[in-house]
Amino acid sequence: DADVTQTPRNRITKTGKRIMLECSQTKGHDRMYWYRQDPGLGLRLIYYSFDVKDINKGEISDGYSVSRQAQAKFSLSLESAIPNQTALYFCATQAGGFNEQFFGPGTRLTVL
Amino acid sequence: GQQLNQSPQSMFIQEGEDVSMNCTSSSIFNTWLWYKQDPGEGPVLLIALYKAGELTSNGRLTAQFGITRKDSFLNISASIPSDVGIYFCAGPSSNTGKLIFGQGTTLQVKP
Repeated sequence: DADVTQTPRNRITKTGKRIMLECSQTKGHDRMYWYRQDPGLGLRLIYYSFDVKDINKGEISDGYSVSRQAQAKFSLSLESAIPNQTALYFCATQAGGFNEQFFGPGTRLTVL
Repeated sequence: GQQLNQSPQSMFIQEGEDVSMNCTSSSIFNTWLWYKQDPGEGPVLLIALYKAGELTSNGRLTAQFGITRKDSFLNISASIPSDVGIYFCAGPSSNTGKLIFGQGTTLQVKP
């Protein structure tokens, strides 16, 4: 089984809809991250969490919110999706005290 | 803020050729990480480097932590079609500890 899973893998939605992307991990890591990937722009950090009670904004948090339901679960929500939020979204985990991050398989989101 | 610059941006090579790519910064990094992203998948950690001058191999891949701590190199020997993908370097920000990623080098291998 994969250590970091993301659901759904693909999603097409319409402008104005609320959508949630989910991430689960079995690595036992405290830290979890949400990134967005656009062609030519690399990986950009949306939100991150160092433990269940800790939530921090990344460089592009506008239009997004997150919830850390448990150590193993970190979800990303788009309250009112817009077309320029069409992108690949990745969740990642990290053990405290270490630099390595481990990524999920990604969610391809299309907003029409 | 700290930035990582990868070069080349893309490479198109013949199967069997060796590949070299690098990552540079104007700032010092204490750790260098190299990831590979297959089409449609998430980045996978290939090699982690922790000490200036360190040379580490993973199969046909070899990475080096530059002596100045401002650069790192990744070499792939005898490339094969499954080497196709995007290769990212990354390092922790000295200010925040969060990972900074390079823009990636896209590798295409012609059989």
